[in-house]
Amino acid sequence: EIVLTQSPGTLCLSPGDRATLSCRASQTVSTSSLAWYQQNPGQAPRLLIYDTSSRATGIPDRFTGSGSGTDFTLTINRLEPEDFAVYYCQQYGSSLSFGQGTKVEIK
Amino acid sequence: QVQIVQSGTDVKKPGASVNVSCKASGYTFTSYAIHWVRQAPGQRLEWMGWINAGSGNTKYSQRFQGRVTITRDTSASTAYMDLSRLISGDTAVYYCVTGSRREFWGQGTPVTVSS
Repeated sequence: EIVLTQSPGTLCLSPGDRATLSCRASQTVSTSSLAWYQQNPGQAPRLLIYDTSSRATGIPDRFTGSGSGTDFTLTINRLEPEDFAVYYCQQYGSSLSFGQGTKVEIK
Repeated sequence: QVQIVQSGTDVKKPGASVNVSCKASGYTFTSYAIHWVRQAPGQRLEWMGWINAGSGNTKYSQRFQGRVTITRDTSASTAYMDLSRLISGDTAVYYCVTGSRREFWGQGTPVTVSS
């Protein structure tokens, strides 16, 4: 099973800042098998990025995914108030696994 | 548009089983796999298994092997997740997820296991 480790656990930022979230895999993940989700309290996760860098339908271009091998990054430019949430990376090879999440909170 | 509607909140005693349903609409049910993911309070998302809605083939996480069964009824466009021998650690919100990119999530079904 591929274990995903996200860092940092919490990011304290202000609206307008840039957020950089990291996801490291215990073994190589195909770039076509890495996604990012956003989750707000009491809600189901929402797909942001799939295949490492493709934005899902309706996702604004301030969200950018990148990476390869075992290191992947989600960058959120110019944080908007609605971006303060928890973010999970997910790999989907033969099975699925998620990172433990990064909380982006308002400073 | 795609809609995924799950069954409602459930409370079970330790040792019992829980069955959660997931009704899909707005697309051809057999087109996508259906995954089940759970989230215990304050914990990460945890994948439990998936079913090929067309063939009915399944694959389960090793962590739940032997306790989880995922089925589907194509005539009802509904998938089911059955988890047996419940313990308090199974208290969680259970989600079904589908779509070519796993982009469609149900609203979640809270399950509490308590004596």
